[in-house]
Amino acid sequence: KAGVTQTPRYLIKTRGQQVTLSCSPISGHRSVSWYQQTPGQGLQFLFEYFSETQRNKGNFPGRFSGRQFSNSRSEMNVSTLELGDSALYLCASSPFDPSNYGYTFGSGTRLTVV
Amino acid sequence: QKEVEQNSGPLSVPEGAIASLNCTYSDRGSQSFFWYRQYSGKSPELIMSIYSNGDKEDGRFTAQLNKASQYVSLLIRDSQPSDSATYLCAVNMRNTPLVFGKGTRLSVIA
Repeated sequence: KAGVTQTPRYLIKTRGQQVTLSCSPISGHRSVSWYQQTPGQGLQFLFEYFSETQRNKGNFPGRFSGRQFSNSRSEMNVSTLELGDSALYLCASSPFDPSNYGYTFGSGTRLTVV
Repeated sequence: QKEVEQNSGPLSVPEGAIASLNCTYSDRGSQSFFWYRQYSGKSPELIMSIYSNGDKEDGRFTAQLNKASQYVSLLIRDSQPSDSATYLCAVNMRNTPLVFGKGTRLSVIA
């Protein structure tokens, strides 16, 4: 059974650019969440999608957005990149409700903004 | 303020000893609790879940939950050097599927 797949693994972008990250959940998992991980702040919740709808949203600025497709694949977009957006972005999937089942995480996308 | 607090460590224990990792949380309404292990350079992996007060055992791991004290812990018996990692406590809270603590770094010394 394939795990959660995130692409790309590494990205280097310049301040002001935008970036799109992709996530394919485990087959059959309908909930996809995104987290930002930094050494100082740990894992910070960005948003959760379920059946193409944003179900929950964290406390991040509007430059961070996401979407989910009918096949449960998800993308997140960060516009007008800032140096502070440098982080590991983790996608996590769950069969239905992460509160009941927990998450399976992907390997992450390491974003560096220069 | 939704918070999950963990001692950052490092917690150093000798091989074969019991490692005790602790976590407190702020939301009295939280119902589900998870422990994740994260090796350096890797993503978190789920090792235990607990939903009811008391103990839950899985191999060398025991999760303990006390909702009245808003406290959850993870015991690792017969610690091995391969257990050296960062352990993350995660708690469900209103409007956030899981809120994670910043993790406790465990070092098992051979």
